[in-house]
Amino acid sequence: QVQLQESGPGLVKPSETLSLTCAVSGYSVSSDYYWGWIRQPPGRGLEWIGSIYHSGITNYNASLRSRVTMSLDTSKNQFSLSLVSVTAADTAVYYCARLPYTYEIDYWGQGTLVTVSS
Amino acid sequence: QSALTQPPSASGSPGQSVTISCTGTSSDVGGYNYVAWYQQHPGKAPKVMIYEVSKRPSGVPDRFSGSKSGNTASLTVSGLQAEDEADYYCSSYGGSNNFPYVFGTGTKVTVL
Repeated sequence: QVQLQESGPGLVKPSETLSLTCAVSGYSVSSDYYWGWIRQPPGRGLEWIGSIYHSGITNYNASLRSRVTMSLDTSKNQFSLSLVSVTAADTAVYYCARLPYTYEIDYWGQGTLVTVSS
Repeated sequence: QSALTQPPSASGSPGQSVTISCTGTSSDVGGYNYVAWYQQHPGKAPKVMIYEVSKRPSGVPDRFSGSKSGNTASLTVSGLQAEDEADYYCSSYGGSNNFPYVFGTGTKVTVL
C-alpha cells in the first residue's frame, strides 16, 4: 500500500521560505514515476506546482518557476518542496502526489495547510 | 499554462445523470489522451475517478464514465447518489513543454 505524508511548518512569514517534505512508504521514489506537488488555496481550485522524476529531473509550473525548487532524498525515501519569497497568496493546502506514466495522480498525501502571515 | 475550463456548478436529482465538461486546447486536452477526473469531498484529498479519458481505476463505480471530443472532455455521473455530491476537477497532460499538468477550474456537483 503506497502512502504519502506531508510535513513542515504550518505558518510561514511573508518573504521567507516555505519548505515541505513528503515521506513515501510502500514504494521507492527512486524506482520509477513522477512525484509532484499540488496546492489548493482555501475555497479555491487545484494548482499544479511541479514534479520531480525518479531520476531527479524537475518540471515546474511556469508561474512559480522562479521561486520553486524540488528535490529527492532517496536515502529517506522522500521528496521536498521549497518555495521562496512567499506572500499571502501562497497560503494553501499543499498536497504531495505520485503520477504514473498515464499522468493521473493515483496516490495523494492527506494535505497540509500552510498559512503565510506575520 | 491556463487552467482548463469547467462549469462552476451542476446538479441533478438522485437517480438522474449529470455531465461535466472540461475545455482545453489542442496543446493539452485535444492533443493527448491523458485526461483524468478527480472527485474531492470537503476537507479531503482528491480521488481519481477516471484516467486516460475513459478508464476507471479499480473500485470506482461504473456510474462514472468519461469521454473526449476535440478539445473538450466530459465526465458523466449516471444514477446520481447522495455521496456523489462533491467538487470535480479535470486534468490533462500538456506535453513536454508544458509538463506535466494543468487542472480544470472545478465543478461543484449538487445532488438535489
